[in-house]
Amino acid sequence: DVKVTQSSRYLVKRTGEKVFLECVQDMDHENMFWYRQDPGLGLRLIYFSYDVKMKEKGDIPEGYSVSREKKERFSLILESASTNQTSMYLCASSFLGTGGYGYTFGSGTRLTVV
Amino acid sequence: SQQGEEDPQALSIQEGENATMNCSYKTSINNLQWYRQNSGRGLVHLILIRSNEREKHSGRLRVTLDTSKKSSSLLITASRAADTASYFCATYRSGGYQKVTFGIGTKLQVIP
Repeated sequence: DVKVTQSSRYLVKRTGEKVFLECVQDMDHENMFWYRQDPGLGLRLIYFSYDVKMKEKGDIPEGYSVSREKKERFSLILESASTNQTSMYLCASSFLGTGGYGYTFGSGTRLTVV
Repeated sequence: SQQGEEDPQALSIQEGENATMNCSYKTSINNLQWYRQNSGRGLVHLILIRSNEREKHSGRLRVTLDTSKKSSSLLITASRAADTASYFCATYRSGGYQKVTFGIGTKLQVIP
């Protein structure tokens, strides 16, 4: 069964901490994405990557960075966590050049910043 | 920016009834996709309809697409309690980011 795996389901961090969210896919997908999901706002794209070491800003990149050193792994980094980054974070992947076949999502990481 | 807008935002029906959710969008698209999200989990891809298709079926799901009205509908027939979830439409437009844009979702509750 193909999978996108997010390293943590729940995470609690303190304000100012550097936070790493990890995502691994086993489908050899070129594209990987990080979204955050908030009530009433839906899914908002933070960053995406279409190849190793490549990254593109999404709609809300401020306060975040990403790293893609290997094809299967895409990390989201909160440089200095703030309470307004409390959210559900969703990782997804797809083949290059396709929204064509849909995205495969991980189970999500619910991050609380206190 | 959000492309798709689902309607209604919340829907409550009895088990066995049909559930219809609608999605409107603003610009031309290559395809439209529907996803389901169970509470606190990730999204699961349900069905994709291309811009040159008008209707598509998958099991108890029926999706229609009207590109002239920039709208789509998702029909779930003979609903079950396990269908309780949020449903999102997502539009795909090639070029530029080649990314999918999600709506805010419809929360469906199926009462046993």
